[in-house]
Amino acid sequence: GNSVTQMEGPVTLSEEAFLTINCTYTATGYPSLFWYVQYPGEGLQLLLKATKADDKGSNKGFEATYRKETTSFHLEKGSVQVSDSAVYFCALSEPGRRALTFGSGTRLQVQP
Amino acid sequence: DARVTQTPRDKVTEMGQEVTMRCQPILGHNTVFWYRQTMMQGLELLAYFRNRAPLDDSGMPKDRFSAEMPDATLATLKIQPSEPRDSAVYFCASGPGAGSSYNEQFFGPGTRLTVL
Repeated sequence: GNSVTQMEGPVTLSEEAFLTINCTYTATGYPSLFWYVQYPGEGLQLLLKATKADDKGSNKGFEATYRKETTSFHLEKGSVQVSDSAVYFCALSEPGRRALTFGSGTRLQVQP
Repeated sequence: DARVTQTPRDKVTEMGQEVTMRCQPILGHNTVFWYRQTMMQGLELLAYFRNRAPLDDSGMPKDRFSAEMPDATLATLKIQPSEPRDSAVYFCASGPGAGSSYNEQFFGPGTRLTVL
């Protein structure tokens, strides 16, 4: 079956530090890959996505590249802000099946 | 600003009671999903509808849970009877199912359920 593995959190960084959150996946086909962000007390918001190998998704300074050879979709940001503190979820969906399979989530804490 | 709405936002009930959660998907979206979030299990798919027809409810305990879409503007998730292990945050999401955003999902704020 499909699965998504994310690095354990929490990740604690100082403001303006570089961020990487690792995500790897297992899927039978060629899935679409997503990063969602969840702020306290809120639902999930789509941060970025990539639908095929070597695609790069980007939004609000965050980036992730679909690496088929390493089955990875690592999230990066060059300079984090306190307002980026949230839980980040990596997810996939198989072609023809819209439901998402989520990773366990990684909590990011950015300190001033 | 179109968004998914869910009611109630918080629900506290006693074991054995019926619980109904409601979701209004974004107008024009033809796919609707119910997910459950717990600390132990993370985010799990409960049910998935396309054009109001259930496509996948394999993640849902059939003996006590039921999900329906009475019309295109309302999705419901019922638990009867509720048990303490059902305590979780339940999210509804909808998606356009077509176009360049065909596989994106937009989440509601969730219903936090506590079963005592």
